[in-house]
Amino acid sequence: EVQLVESGGDLVEPGGSLRLSCAGSGFTFSSFAMSWVRQAPGKGLEWVSDVSGDGVGTYYADSVKGRATISRDNSKKTLYLQMSSLRVEDTAIYYCAKSPLKYTGYDYIDYWGQGTLVTVSS
Amino acid sequence: DIQMAQSPSSLSASVGDRVTIICRTSQSVSSYLNWYQHKPGKAPKLLVYGATSLQSRVPSRFSGSGYGTDFTLTINSLQPEDFATYFCQQTYVAPFTFGPGTKVDVK
Repeated sequence: EVQLVESGGDLVEPGGSLRLSCAGSGFTFSSFAMSWVRQAPGKGLEWVSDVSGDGVGTYYADSVKGRATISRDNSKKTLYLQMSSLRVEDTAIYYCAKSPLKYTGYDYIDYWGQGTLVTVSS
Repeated sequence: DIQMAQSPSSLSASVGDRVTIICRTSQSVSSYLNWYQHKPGKAPKLLVYGATSLQSRVPSRFSGSGYGTDFTLTINSLQPEDFATYFCQQTYVAPFTFGPGTKVDVK
């Protein structure tokens, strides 16, 4: 059974940094692209970032570009999102998500984690 | 970036109703358009991928159609468990934007 378990969400002050993690199990982690998607309170889903299965290809939403870095450790079956210069508007539930393809784009999300809450507030 | 629009933004319906949700993109995304269902406090769920392909184990009352810039998600005979928010997403070109969502609630 595919499982994605996020961790690392926390209350941080504006300007702070945070690293989110997502542990994958039940599938060959390195064979699939992965994504981060977030939902701010009362808002819709916002795609944040994608990484290919080999970790080479990365893509970012304009809203986080330059402040976020997506990476993966395939030996640990873990996806990461390092975020810096956090803003109040980054407050959201962050979902880890899996693609059925190795390379991002022309795909879809077939599995989602339960999410981890990031709150940016002073 | 490709802009996404969904209509309506919300609708009220009864069990047994047929519901149609429209997603429009600002430029062609070919058939790379997906639909998800999201309930509060839960992970989103894939319903339809590639505009028309029903995800495994999704009830056949859900169907998707469209190509290019205009897409439709149809729910035939709405069931109690279908009250939720529905999002479209394009994966034709990064950033892989989601639509703003359509909330389906009880009439």
